[in-house]
Amino acid sequence: GAVVSQHPSWVICKSGTSVKIECRSLDFQATTMFWYRQFPKQSLMLMATSNEGSKATYEQGVEKDKFLINHASLTLSTLTVTSAHPEDSSFYICSAVIRTGNPYEQYFGPGTRLTVT
Amino acid sequence: AQSVTQLDSQVPVFEEAPVELRCNYSSSVSVYLFWYVQYPNQGLQLLLKYLSGSTLVKGINGFEAEFNKSQTSFHLRKPSVHISDTAEYFCAVSQRGFQKLVFGTGTRLLVSP
Repeated sequence: GAVVSQHPSWVICKSGTSVKIECRSLDFQATTMFWYRQFPKQSLMLMATSNEGSKATYEQGVEKDKFLINHASLTLSTLTVTSAHPEDSSFYICSAVIRTGNPYEQYFGPGTRLTVT
Repeated sequence: AQSVTQLDSQVPVFEEAPVELRCNYSSSVSVYLFWYVQYPNQGLQLLLKYLSGSTLVKGINGFEAEFNKSQTSFHLRKPSVHISDTAEYFCAVSQRGFQKLVFGTGTRLLVSP
């Protein structure tokens, strides 16, 4: 149980285009989902926290107009990287908290590798 | 704010040997502590967590960790590792009562025959 999926698993896009990444909780409802970014050989950095039906809360230094987050339902959150540039290339990981579970336990998706050419 | 230090970027060990992965944290307030494992091309999986109670926490796959408040440490241990334990291990901390996780830079455990 507590499976989180991400789609796509990898994507290549051209500079200036936008790309959408989906994060789904497959067998549970998630009140809160988190989006992280992981650079090679580095740690995960929290980008934003999203709650169903509410605006996302972005961490300091994260451009909310560039990284659009939509948490439209209790099982789906999307991250759209707008006008992507090569420096946006990274591994993006989402996590989710079970609505009826431990609020301090996050379940992570497998990640999406974005390459901007 | 919280921070996590994992001093060892890579730990090589032979199969069936014991291993300890070190994690130290910094925080001015009470914290929750976590260890996650990331296998190649997979998401993070929770190994164990400390929220309160006993400072010795047992997790999945035979791993355990001990919360030491005076030394601000939460080292991960396993008495006998397997080849399949080869993975990246992340220590994480959150402020008590909050969900936001701060991760360390990870330790790659390499188990060889």
